[in-house]
Amino acid sequence: DAGVIQSPRHEVTEMGQEVTLRCKPISGHNSLFWYRQTMMRGLELLIYFNNNVPIDDSGMPEDRFSAKMPNASFSTLKIQPSEPRDSAVYFCASSLVENTEAFFGQGTRLTVV
Amino acid sequence: AQKVTQAQTEISVVEKEDVTLDCVYETRDTTYYLFWYKQPPSGELVFLIRRNSFDEQNEISGRYSWNFQKSTSSFNFTITASQVVDSAVYFCALNLHGGATNKLIFGTGTLLAVQP
Repeated sequence: DAGVIQSPRHEVTEMGQEVTLRCKPISGHNSLFWYRQTMMRGLELLIYFNNNVPIDDSGMPEDRFSAKMPNASFSTLKIQPSEPRDSAVYFCASSLVENTEAFFGQGTRLTVV
Repeated sequence: AQKVTQAQTEISVVEKEDVTLDCVYETRDTTYYLFWYKQPPSGELVFLIRRNSFDEQNEISGRYSWNFQKSTSSFNFTITASQVVDSAVYFCALNLHGGATNKLIFGTGTLLAVQP
């Protein structure tokens, strides 16, 4: 099992540019989560999908953030336009069904300069 | 409100010492799940254990053990005979059963440094 795969691992971009983060969940998992980790706010849930449908996006900070899950094996998190305060590590995670353990990818470290 | 508190920000021990990481949670729900994750210096989050609110039996896995006490809303994690490889940030998390959301609510983490 390859685990949750995220790309890229590192991204450096200029303020105002569009950034797209990608995630491939574990095959067979029904739930997918996007988390953001910063020193100030710790780990916070941005959005979660169940069976490819967004269930809770209350953690998405603002309209500049959007997430899609076109099929069971792929999800994207897009920031447009990016700002320096978006700099963080973004984790994707998946779980088999609700309330079971979530397995995390290795994260994407985003730096917006 | 749901909340997870890890009061210990940093702990430093010498190899072979036992260490306990504290976790206190708040929820009004009767059915919930508790988790521990490890984040080593490489940055990934590694799942360690999941517990449901109806199972208060302590769990032991090698050098790791967990003490779940509903009476004090605590889910503490003990590492016996610590090793340098145990150095990491450890997160406790809470997940509620059912409802419209399935979010893990994380504590702020405890940084464990094991000195050789």
